This record gives sequence, C-alpha cells and structure tokens, in this order.
Amino acid sequence: DAGVTQSPTHLIKTRGQQVTLRCSPKSGHDTVSWYQQALGQGPQFIFQYYEEEERQRGNFPDRFSGHQFPNYSSELNVNALLLGDSALYLCASRPRVANEKLFFGSGTQLSVL
Amino acid sequence: DAKTTQPTSMDCAEGRAANLPCNHSTISGNEYVYWYRQIHSQGPQYIIHGLKNNETNEMASLIITEDRKSSTLILPHATLRDTAVYYCIVRVGPAFSGGGADGLTFGKGTHLIIQP
Repeated sequence: DAGVTQSPTHLIKTRGQQVTLRCSPKSGHDTVSWYQQALGQGPQFIFQYYEEEERQRGNFPDRFSGHQFPNYSSELNVNALLLGDSALYLCASRPRVANEKLFFGSGTQLSVL
Repeated sequence: DAKTTQPTSMDCAEGRAANLPCNHSTISGNEYVYWYRQIHSQGPQYIIHGLKNNETNEMASLIITEDRKSSTLILPHATLRDTAVYYCIVRVGPAFSGGGADGLTFGKGTHLIIQP
C-alpha cells in the first residue's frame, strides 16, 4: 500500500516564476493538507482540501493556491516566487472519518534562485 | 491553539528509555496533546495523542499530568532509528471542532539524538 506520494522530489526555480507541486494521498484518504517547512523550522500549515474545496487556510498570501481533483489528488501552486519561498513542501492526508492523525509524504524541496 | 515549550535537544543512550518533556500551561479543556516526529529527509510521522488519560501504543507512551499543563513522551527502548526531531502539538480535538486535526501548529521541537 503506497503512502502519500509527492512529485517532484526536488525543484529549482527563478524568482518571479510559478511552480506546481503534486500530491497523491494514501489509499483510502480523501482529505489533503499542505505544509511549508523552512530550514531549521517546524512545518507551517498552508491549507486543507476535501470534496475539491479549500476548507481551512493558514497565514499564507494568495500567491499560494491549490486544487483537489475527483481522485483526491492535489496540487499546490505558488505564483510570483520569492527567495523566501525556498522550503520543503509537505503534503499530508487522512480519511474524513478517522480524523485523528495525518500521514505525511517526504516532500518536495523547492529552491528559488 | 495553546503554545508548547520543548527543550531544543536531548541525548539518550541506545536501549534506554527516552523521556521527552513538553510544557503546555495554557492548554484548554477541549485541546488534545499530539506528538509527531520527523526523521531526517522524511515527512513528520504521527506517534500518539491524548486528552487527559495516559496513552500507550506500539511506538510510545504519553503521560499527561493531572492538571494537563505538561506531558512526557516516553520511548521505552530507544534505538538509533529513533534519532529525530520530536514535535509536541496542542490542538482542539476533532470531537470538539467538528473537523479534523489538520491545521497543526508545529514549533521547533526537540532534536533527540540516540547515542550508541
């Protein structure tokens, strides 16, 4: 049983560009959330999706947007990249009914030059 | 969510019990204590959670003080693979919020180093 999978594992972009990161939740999971982890810091909550809609959002600007597809996979989009967007982006999933714990992927390491 | 305080780092000998403390003096009655850990180059991994009673699972035990202002995560027989950053998180439980435990607030955690 595959866990949460994210792609790509590493990505290098230039300031001002746009990026799309992808996440496939663990089998049987329909709720996905995204986190940003800067070097030396704990993960910070970006937003959560279920039923193809954003349900909760952390303190992130509108440059950060997302999408959830009918198969429950999700994308994180970041526009107008800043140097400060360089971080590990983590995707987590859980089933709606068993909502006590999250399962995380290994993340996408984004470097903005 | 209530704020938590954890030591920056701790050492433990392999085979001994690792006891990781967490202070959460402003915890509310509907807030649970969650523990996650993050091994280098991996995403966080759920360990355990509790409200007020002590909890045990295959990974660890969670001891919550009677006043709920602090807790201790216990890894009974630490191995080298337990070297990781351990995060203590306090959050309103799904039973009270109606939602899931998704929007977690991670601090910097405790870097636990298991020594051979």
